[in-house]
Amino acid sequence: QVQLVESGGGLVKPGGSLRLSCAASGLNFSDYYVSWIRQASGEGLEWVSYISGSGRTINYADSVKGRFTISRDNARNSLFLQMDSLGAEDSAVYYCARVFPGDYYMDVWGKGTTVIVSS
Amino acid sequence: QPVLTQPPSASASLGASVTLTCTLSSGYINYKVDWYQQGPGQGPRFVMRVGTGGIVGSKGDGIPDRFSVLGSGLNRYLTIKNIQEEDESDYYCGTDHGSGSSFVWVFGGGTKLTVL
Repeated sequence: QVQLVESGGGLVKPGGSLRLSCAASGLNFSDYYVSWIRQASGEGLEWVSYISGSGRTINYADSVKGRFTISRDNARNSLFLQMDSLGAEDSAVYYCARVFPGDYYMDVWGKGTTVIVSS
Repeated sequence: QPVLTQPPSASASLGASVTLTCTLSSGYINYKVDWYQQGPGQGPRFVMRVGTGGIVGSKGDGIPDRFSVLGSGLNRYLTIKNIQEEDESDYYCGTDHGSGSSFVWVFGGGTKLTVL
């Protein structure tokens, strides 16, 4: 059974940094693109970033470009999101999701980790 | 990139049927759309993908036969028959756009389905 488990969320001051992790199990991790998606309280889903299976191809939403860095460690079946220069607008539940190969929809999601940016 | 539009709310009585709509912005008529279900306090769950010809690929794990999709023009529909209490959720549509390092995903604003 494929599982994705996010961790690393918490309370951080504006301008601060946080590193999220997503631990994957039950799959050949390096075969899959993976993505981060976030959801502010009471709001809809917002795609944040994705990384290809090899880690060579990456993209970011304009709202986080230049501040967030996605990476992966296939040997440890792990996905990361380094978040710098955080603002209140980055407060959200952050989900990692597996991207189904070829069709590019998110077929497996984690339960999320909560980030609160507040002084 | 495409914009997806969803009505913010819908309701249906227990045992009835409801159709949720996701509308693509002009120029994206051939795009496939993915439906996701998000129960209260839960992460999203993939339901199924829909194009102009109907379902694309397979339903998500555990999605009952009561759920079906259709596509027409710029609209992509999710129909739920014989609605049950556990169907009360937020439903989001989403789509991918671009390729390689320009790949992005966009989501509609979501429809909150209330079971009466």
